[in-house]
Amino acid sequence: KQEVTQIPAALSVPEGENLVLNCSFTDSAIYNLQWFRQDPGKGLTSLLLIQSSQREQTSGRLNASLDKSSGRSTLYIAASQPGDSATYLCAVVGRDSWGKLQFGAGTQVVVTP
Amino acid sequence: DTAVSQTPKYLVTQMGNDKSIKCEQNLGHDTMYWYKQDSKKFLKIMFSYNNKELIINETVPNRFSPKSPDKAHLNLHINSLELGDSAVYFCASSPQGAGGYTFGSGTRLTVV
Repeated sequence: KQEVTQIPAALSVPEGENLVLNCSFTDSAIYNLQWFRQDPGKGLTSLLLIQSSQREQTSGRLNASLDKSSGRSTLYIAASQPGDSATYLCAVVGRDSWGKLQFGAGTQVVVTP
Repeated sequence: DTAVSQTPKYLVTQMGNDKSIKCEQNLGHDTMYWYKQDSKKFLKIMFSYNNKELIINETVPNRFSPKSPDKAHLNLHINSLELGDSAVYFCASSPQGAGGYTFGSGTRLTVV
């Protein structure tokens, strides 16, 4: 059974520092891995989608890496801003899961001015 | 706007009532889902439909009944609501294959 873990559960950094969020999964047989952002009381916004054949994806200040063999992904956010404060969720779609997203519990990020 | 839209955004109701949540996507995706986010903010799948056919039913009480009239719509009907059903329910869609998900903004259900 696939399990997704995110460490740390919470993170507070001063503005301008780089953020490093970790995600690990137990079964490397995945189709893809997706990073989402959730603001309090809001829905999920997709940040980056990494297919199983890819090693990384980049969008602006965001970069996500994927090491399928070790079951790890890392989301880097460069030069953090207070607007980056949110909960970041990692989720994988397993090869035998019929498209089901398996989520981690999230990392709650606070960027202080 | 291309999106996944669900209504209502908030739903407050008494125990024992029956309620529905509607979801529509205009992204042309083949697969739609319902996810539940509990009080600890953990997201878990409830149902998945592909082209109007039920694909995943993740041990959800049969008081919950999804209905997909066409591949752009997936509604969730809940009978005999219980206090424990209080949660945020998210609709989502994805294309066939290994495409990424798009989520709706959620429906916060409160049962009193």
